[in-house]
Amino acid sequence: EAGVVQSPRYKIIEKKQPVAFWCNPISGHNTLYWYRQNLGQGPELLIRYENEEAVDDSQLPKDRFSAERLKGVDSTLKIQPAELGDSAVYLCASSPGLAATGELFFGEGSRLTVL
Amino acid sequence: GENVEQHPSTLSVQEGDSAVIKCTYSDSASNYFPWYKQELGKRPQLIIDIRSNVGEKKDQRIAVTLNKTAKHFSLHITETQPEDSAVYFCGPGDSWGKLQFGAGTQVVVTP
Repeated sequence: EAGVVQSPRYKIIEKKQPVAFWCNPISGHNTLYWYRQNLGQGPELLIRYENEEAVDDSQLPKDRFSAERLKGVDSTLKIQPAELGDSAVYLCASSPGLAATGELFFGEGSRLTVL
Repeated sequence: GENVEQHPSTLSVQEGDSAVIKCTYSDSASNYFPWYKQELGKRPQLIIDIRSNVGEKKDQRIAVTLNKTAKHFSLHITETQPEDSAVYFCGPGDSWGKLQFGAGTQVVVTP
């Protein structure tokens, strides 16, 4: 069975440019997470979806970040415009439960470098 | 919000020795306590977890112990091997599915 798939794996852009990341969760997983991981730090939650509903976006910088999960499957995370401080690895994760605690299955991540 | 701290931030052990990492949290609503392992350049992966109705859980060379009163839980690795070298994250969670990760502990196992 395929795991969580993310693309692109690497992205280098200049500041003020837009960027988008895509995530395909494990089939049947209702809950999807976007995390940001800065170098030497733990993953920081940006947004959590249950099906197509964003149930926790309290830490998403809404002035420049947006996300969507149409049809409750794939998700995209967009940054516009990007800033130098956005350089990080963006991790997508999914889990089978709704509002349940259990294992998160992470993708390989999308490493963003903003110049 | 939840405040999560891990100690130590780095840990160097001789192969065959034991390693212990402690995670302290602040939210009394936390009831799920996992540990994730992240090898360099790889994705985080769950290695062991425990729920609040259990005090200890063991899986071969790794174990997790929980002290809910003191709001901390620990990861124990016995008979460490070079492949145990990685960054380990704790991530206490609540019933609504919110997990907050600690800053991580870099474990280096030297032969």
